[in-house]
Amino acid sequence: NAGVTQTPKFRILKIGQSMTLQCAQDMNHNYMYWYRQDPGMGLKLIYYSVGAGITDKGEVPNGYNVSRSTTEDFPLRLELAAPSQTSVYFCASSTPGTGMGNEQFFGPGTRLTVL
Amino acid sequence: AQSVTQPDIHITVSEGASLELRCNYSYGATPYLFWYVQSPGQGLQLLLKYFSGDTLVQGIKGFEAEFKRSQSSFNLRKPSVHWSDAAEYFCAVGASNYKLTFGKGTLLTVNP
Repeated sequence: NAGVTQTPKFRILKIGQSMTLQCAQDMNHNYMYWYRQDPGMGLKLIYYSVGAGITDKGEVPNGYNVSRSTTEDFPLRLELAAPSQTSVYFCASSTPGTGMGNEQFFGPGTRLTVL
Repeated sequence: AQSVTQPDIHITVSEGASLELRCNYSYGATPYLFWYVQSPGQGLQLLLKYFSGDTLVQGIKGFEAEFKRSQSSFNLRKPSVHWSDAAEYFCAVGASNYKLTFGKGTLLTVNP
């Protein structure tokens, strides 16, 4: 299993440009997440999904959109890039299981710079 | 709302010394607690988790953590640190809808 994969690894955008960060998992996990990580701030949840066709906002959703058409894929869309979106983005997945005690598996991250 | 505090931003220890990383949480119900490690340029990897049973949990790479409900703490320990343990460590609490709330992290430097 490849686990959670993310593309691209690095990207530089100009202000106002759009892009999609790709995330895929091959573990048949129902739950998927997008986080952003800023220095000294830990991880903040952007959006999450509990299954195909179902998404919900996290803590910092403004400026982002997501879709979940399949169990495997959970792309994150930036429509009008702003310098405040410069960050490292992580995708994660997990199984529902019992309670909240299940591990989230993380991808390697996408480092995005908006200039 | 749940929250996690990691009081130490940066800790430096000598190789072979013992380690304790602090984590305090705030959550209204029985917490689900996690420690993740992030090596430079990498994603996060689960070290250990607690959600019921024995309050002392063992994880990978020789780490352990103890849940203390009375102190709202879940501190991470290792008896002897190796140079390869240098990384950033994140404590997290499991919230509703399977969401995790992360602390801001503790950066561990290991001196030879």
